[in-house]
Amino acid sequence: GAGVSQSPSNKVTEKGKDVELRCDPISGHTALYWYRQRLGQGLEFLIYFQGNSAPDKSGLPSDRFSAERTGESVSTLTIQRTQQEDSAVYLCASSLIFRSYGYTFGSGTRLTVV
Amino acid sequence: TQLLEQSPQFLSIQEGENLTVYCNSSSVFSSLQWYRQEPGEGPVLLVTVVTGGEVKKLKRLTFQFGDARKDSSLHITAAQPGDTGLYLCAVQGRDDKIIFGKGTRLHILP
Repeated sequence: GAGVSQSPSNKVTEKGKDVELRCDPISGHTALYWYRQRLGQGLEFLIYFQGNSAPDKSGLPSDRFSAERTGESVSTLTIQRTQQEDSAVYLCASSLIFRSYGYTFGSGTRLTVV
Repeated sequence: TQLLEQSPQFLSIQEGENLTVYCNSSSVFSSLQWYRQEPGEGPVLLVTVVTGGEVKKLKRLTFQFGDARKDSSLHITAAQPGDTGLYLCAVQGRDDKIIFGKGTRLHILP
């Protein structure tokens, strides 16, 4: 596609439910990042994928968070047993190569846990 | 401690005025990026600076990378309401993660 696509754009879920967020990177982009942005805050790194290498999961805040990516295509971020503090915008970015001079972001998924 | 310190955190000025926002660190970086984020959207890359002392211009926006490659500034001339947004600087950390500052939230009053 022309840009990074994220779905859903908005998600409201009840506390304790699991949610799955999806990111479609730009075709051919080997690197993919997930970030979390709380209201009025900057971007907090969660995880990145580079080709077939093991992902860097060091930013995941708890074991309730997990992410997968199939090859160089779609990635899903799963949050289990959601908590109110998980409410945020989850942003995905991709780049053509690792250590690229610039990343293309999707519009994000706004998650609200009630 | 934040790797990147952005200042000011908030800035509200009248249309037509000039402004400068800053991104500072005690670390040296091989490159630095500036992004603008509008409400409901993801950040959009404005520029990447690579060489110490480098100056890049994008219409009314002027970006400078410090000589020591530890800091950067963004100057906007004759600000317009369309410049309103969150301005973020970012670098590639030693562990290859992209690290963002907390941003400067800019509001241009018509």
